[in-house]
Amino acid sequence: GQQVMQIPQYQHVQEGEDFTTYCNSSTTLSNIQWYKQRPGGHPVFLIQLVKSGEVKKQKRLTFQFGEAKKNSSLHITATQTTDVGTYFCAGTQGGSQGNLIFGKGTKLSVKP
Amino acid sequence: KAGVTQTPRYLIKTRGQQVTLSCSPISGHRSVSWYQQTPGQGLQFLFEYFSETQRNKGNFPGRFSGRQFSNSRSEMNVSTLELGDSALYLCASSLTGPGERSGNTIYFGEGSWLTVV
Repeated sequence: GQQVMQIPQYQHVQEGEDFTTYCNSSTTLSNIQWYKQRPGGHPVFLIQLVKSGEVKKQKRLTFQFGEAKKNSSLHITATQTTDVGTYFCAGTQGGSQGNLIFGKGTKLSVKP
Repeated sequence: KAGVTQTPRYLIKTRGQQVTLSCSPISGHRSVSWYQQTPGQGLQFLFEYFSETQRNKGNFPGRFSGRQFSNSRSEMNVSTLELGDSALYLCASSLTGPGERSGNTIYFGEGSWLTVV
């Protein structure tokens, strides 16, 4: 079945260091979405990427969608303690009515 | 505008019982999706409803069911509860659905924490 693999599972960084999480799908995705979930909270939508090779930036966050639409990455520059949480990617397959398949998430901790 | 509202927030049930969870989407949103989140399995898709019709279904047994009303509010039901059903159940609403290319934002509720004992 459809799978979205996400690595690493955990990442511990010093405040100010960069952070990257990667997602890989076994099949071509229609689009990919990224979410952040703070401890004890619910997932919050960050962004959606649709086009092959697309790159989007949100302040210190850079999102990429691979040329083959099978992989994606989220890069955070100069992490801050407010970046703490679990970052999930979620892909859809099957066009406009596909359901979201979530990666297992990368839990980021930031040491001040 | 009000966010996605899920009730109840916390509940404890006994094995074999059934449970109904409710989700009120953001006003104007017609798509409601349900997810189960556990530490071991992560976020797993249960089903999606759009305009009162189930449009997509995940790989969960028939004990898990749902429905959507004409006002877009949705309920999910789990019958014959098992210990493994203990999880955070999340509802997500969007204008047209999670798979849409239009870039519409998907909003999650705070979830219902279910503990089965």
